[in-house]
Amino acid sequence: GESVGLHLPTLSVQEGDNSIINCAYSNSASDYFIWYKQESGKGPQFIIDIRSNMDKRQGQRVTVLLNKTVKHLSLQIAATQPGDSAVYFCAENLGGAQKLVFGQGTRLTINP
Amino acid sequence: DGGITQSPKYLFRKEGQNVTLSCEQNLNHDAMYWYRQDPGQGLRLIYYSQIVNDFQKGDIAEGYSVSREKKESFPLTVTSAQKNPTAFYLCAVRGNGANVLTFGAGSRLTVL
Repeated sequence: GESVGLHLPTLSVQEGDNSIINCAYSNSASDYFIWYKQESGKGPQFIIDIRSNMDKRQGQRVTVLLNKTVKHLSLQIAATQPGDSAVYFCAENLGGAQKLVFGQGTRLTINP
Repeated sequence: DGGITQSPKYLFRKEGQNVTLSCEQNLNHDAMYWYRQDPGQGLRLIYYSQIVNDFQKGDIAEGYSVSREKKESFPLTVTSAQKNPTAFYLCAVRGNGANVLTFGAGSRLTVL
């Protein structure tokens, strides 16, 4: 089976609140992780990435945290907006391999 | 979609028919990928190609075939041997030396 999974399939948050989307991975050899956002009927879009030698990386309104001890990855979205509604996928790159393994995805819904 | 064109966007097929999905890129990237996505699921790798005239099976290659005769093109054929072909098909490219995949807009195949 897939080595990447998500704790929650759906997440609802109030507009303006912060969102945290979690991901668990099982392959210790994974050296690189990516978060993608997929809107309905579209292809996934890159949000942010992080290498295994890092614990945290920040982008515009997004932060990715990596905890290698428990093989856990999270995506934090600050001040969630209606446009953030989408399915979010984490993906891991197995060390040395040239392909990504994707998790199931979490659907983020923003309540007005 | 960053120079990646998938066509057709929607396709209907009768059982027993082969169908070919097109993926063209003008990014001059070497590596190209085909993923399948089922409703509420993550992406699963069908085939990938790291260079012209070479390709490898992914995790779910049975019932599919590909070719890579030109750098800019990586067509996917869904054959009649694929038992459950109805899905959303996504083509992606990876920049030389990069880990991030850039996706096309996808092709939705429905078998009637």
